[in-house]
Amino acid sequence: AQSVTQLDSHVSVSEGTPVLLRCNYSSSYSPSLFWYVQHPNKGLQLLLKYTSAATLVKGINGFEAEFKKSETSFHLTKPSAHMSDAAEYFCVVSDGFQKLVFGTGTRLLVSP
Amino acid sequence: KAGVTQTPRYLIKTRGQQVTLSCSPISGHRSVSWYQQTPGQGLQFLFEYFSETQRNKGNFPGRFSGRQFSNSRSEMNVSTLELGDSALYLCASSLVGASSFSDEQFFGPGTRLTVL
Repeated sequence: AQSVTQLDSHVSVSEGTPVLLRCNYSSSYSPSLFWYVQHPNKGLQLLLKYTSAATLVKGINGFEAEFKKSETSFHLTKPSAHMSDAAEYFCVVSDGFQKLVFGTGTRLLVSP
Repeated sequence: KAGVTQTPRYLIKTRGQQVTLSCSPISGHRSVSWYQQTPGQGLQFLFEYFSETQRNKGNFPGRFSGRQFSNSRSEMNVSTLELGDSALYLCASSLVGASSFSDEQFFGPGTRLTVL
């Protein structure tokens, strides 16, 4: 069965500093991996997805993630945080049958 | 293009009642999935429908059921509500074929269900 582990429940950064949200995955085959963001009282928005085309994936709003098979990791990064980035972020793996398996989420706090 | 819409946005029910939630997918999307989000269990997959047929199901009791109509709109029903059913219910749609699956799902804003 596919699963993901988000290593931090909360991450706090200052505006303008880099963001790193960590995710490890477990999959019996080459996985499809995603990062979704959820702002308060909003639905989930896809930030980026990895489907084996390239290990470095660029997403929206300046976010990117690198797939590292040797480390079974898919960490999300952004060079410079903005106040509007404050939200909950979910690392997600697909089981290939329309079922997404979500991590427990990382709440990103951005201070001025 | 309009996104995924869910109605109602908020709902308050009492234990023992039943509830029906509605989801309208993005135009052209034929797959609709449902997820439950709670503080304790996080986001969990309920089921997925394609062309009015349930193709995949999560680990939820039979009190949770759904259906899909010919226009791809979907409804989810929860019978005999329990306090633990209080959650945000999210619907997602995707563009897939009859024998294919797409990983990219587009989510609606959710229905917040409170059971008293």
